[in-house]
Amino acid sequence: DSGVTQTPKHLITATGQRVTLRCSPRSGDLSVYWYQQSLDQGLQFLIQYYNGEERAKGNILERFSAQQFPDLHSELNLSSLELGDSALYFCASRPPGQGNTGELFFGEGSRLTVL
Amino acid sequence: DQQVKQNSPSLSVQEGRISILNCDYTNSMFDYFLWYKKYPAEGPTFLISISSIKDKNEDGRFTVFLNKSAKHLSLHIVPSQPGDSAVYFCAALTSYDKVIFGPGTSLSVIP
Repeated sequence: DSGVTQTPKHLITATGQRVTLRCSPRSGDLSVYWYQQSLDQGLQFLIQYYNGEERAKGNILERFSAQQFPDLHSELNLSSLELGDSALYFCASRPPGQGNTGELFFGEGSRLTVL
Repeated sequence: DQQVKQNSPSLSVQEGRISILNCDYTNSMFDYFLWYKKYPAEGPTFLISISSIKDKNEDGRFTVFLNKSAKHLSLHIVPSQPGDSAVYFCAALTSYDKVIFGPGTSLSVIP
């Protein structure tokens, strides 16, 4: 158990719909990262938050948005869903402090299926 | 463009032998390189890392080598065990705190 909690674990929805994925980081971790893993693909970096502020952005579509709340949990919102958005969405948290090597602790992922 | 590449999608190794997983990168500004292991239906888990100023780091059966001039790193697993069968991702930490991943190599260790 990494200590990172993601909900829901599975989600099936239709094209054009909107979903929200939720992530609770490990206790004490201030950074949250979101990644997308499509079928047989690597982990594509979407976005990173640090203590409520957006820190870095990757290949995140305009239809997607995220935020990190004061209690440090994060939500990834996916709207106007398309078939190609079907993927595993991972959240990860990172311990604070200098000297951190970039080690991330991942949740088990949310599997989104768009029909 | 910051890229991490793993050109071998899969690798099969006999139990007890050495597994060598390779990774190439295109940007010299990465601070750390990391290897993650992923089993099906689970999130990736951290395995080992190496600073960009080092050329080797060892942790038990796992050793990572970094060749900066070639922009290449490799993960050696000795001896390989069936439980090592998983997808291995190479990753890099950028100066902007982004952690970017390669596409992964699926390792099968045959008993």
